[in-house]
Amino acid sequence: GAVVSQHPSRVICKSGTSVKIECRSLDFQATTMFWYRQFPKQSLMLMATSNEGSKATYEQGVEKDKFLINHASLTLSTLTVTSAHPEDSSFYICSAREWTGSNQPQHFGDGTRLSIL
Amino acid sequence: AQKITQTQPGMFVQEKEAVTLDCTYDTSDPSYGLFWYKQPSSGEMIFLIYQGSYDQQNATEGRYSLNFQKARKSANLVISASQLGDSAMYFCAMREGTGNTPLVFGKGTRLSVIA
Repeated sequence: GAVVSQHPSRVICKSGTSVKIECRSLDFQATTMFWYRQFPKQSLMLMATSNEGSKATYEQGVEKDKFLINHASLTLSTLTVTSAHPEDSSFYICSAREWTGSNQPQHFGDGTRLSIL
Repeated sequence: AQKITQTQPGMFVQEKEAVTLDCTYDTSDPSYGLFWYKQPSSGEMIFLIYQGSYDQQNATEGRYSLNFQKARKSANLVISASQLGDSAMYFCAMREGTGNTPLVFGKGTRLSVIA
């Protein structure tokens, strides 16, 4: 079945560091990928929709200069958390869908646990 | 306004019993899809079951079934013969329209299966 690979799975770094998270669709092409953030004991909140070859669409309240998204190919989207601070510590998870048919589920990566010290 | 509402923060069920996790949704789009995902403590999101707005029959996938009541805008997940491995967070989600729109999630229900 369709698989989405996300890397790294865990990052611990100092405040002020920029962190890049990769999301790859392994056996299908994804013109669109989605980035979610999940704080402890909360739901998944959509941050942005990543579109191959064009600018990402950010949800209200998400700083596009803080969370840089690049979708350079049909199988890779990256999220860069720039100058990360402790409040950016969260679980980041990407998602993609194989077809645009409405009954297709979104496949998720295994997520990245980001801890900023 | 909340598009997906899950009113049960936590649920307990005895092993081998059935359990229903509630989900109501809000949309004015006649075309939509409803999904349930399981998230164990390790964090990955596991797709369980799908129900389309035009589907006439309730979806079933093994021990999972979806009780779809369109007029009430509810899409409850029923897990039969609960197993200890079913203990996890369960999220109801909706996609509106037919394009490549993202899933919107409810707040989730934590299910604990007791031996």
